[in-house]
Amino acid sequence: AQKVTQAQTEISVVEKEDVTLDCVYETRDTTYYLFWYKQPPSGELVFLIRRNSFDEQNEISGRYSWNFQKSTSSFNFTITASQVVDSAVYFCALSGPQGGSEKLVFGKGTKLTVNP
Amino acid sequence: GAVVSQHPSWVICKSGTSVKIECRSLDFQATTMFWYRQFPKQSLMLMATSNEGSKATYEQGVEKDKFLINHASLTLSTLTVTSAHPEDSSFYICSARRSGGVRNEQFFGPGTRLTVL
Repeated sequence: AQKVTQAQTEISVVEKEDVTLDCVYETRDTTYYLFWYKQPPSGELVFLIRRNSFDEQNEISGRYSWNFQKSTSSFNFTITASQVVDSAVYFCALSGPQGGSEKLVFGKGTKLTVNP
Repeated sequence: GAVVSQHPSWVICKSGTSVKIECRSLDFQATTMFWYRQFPKQSLMLMATSNEGSKATYEQGVEKDKFLINHASLTLSTLTVTSAHPEDSSFYICSARRSGGVRNEQFFGPGTRLTVL
């Protein structure tokens, strides 16, 4: 079975601090996909990144960066110089060729609060 | 491109009534749509996978007779909560996979907040 664990339930930082959100996953598939989504108070999910299991290169997009390590089954997300607008719930998710299904399995989410 | 809409964005209904939620892909065709439910301060849980022209596949523990899903066209899937009760109050989110699109890429709707009194 697939599982995503986000051990940090809530994180609170002060603006301009760097913050890392942890994500650990479990799957038996050799091909799988990992995602991060942001959910602001409005509720709409905002797609941040999609990474397949064969691409272990770290990625940077502006203040966001992702560290994918298959050896530890982790896909951590770092926000550099955090801003108040980064306050949201962040979900890590996993999908794979489980009998052809592309369903997403979400972690429980990490609520990030960035204080001015 | 790849915009998914949901209607209504919020609904309040009385216990025992049925509520229909629409999920539309506005600028692409979606062979597959997914319905998720999110209780307050919890994660998203997949309820069912909806395939155009065929019966939906429900996740374990989801009552198919209570949550009716119809995917009659390549741009529209509907979720009907029948005989709604207060415990059905939740945030319902749909997503759509573009026909012929990148595998494992889903586009999410803005969600529908259901409150059952």
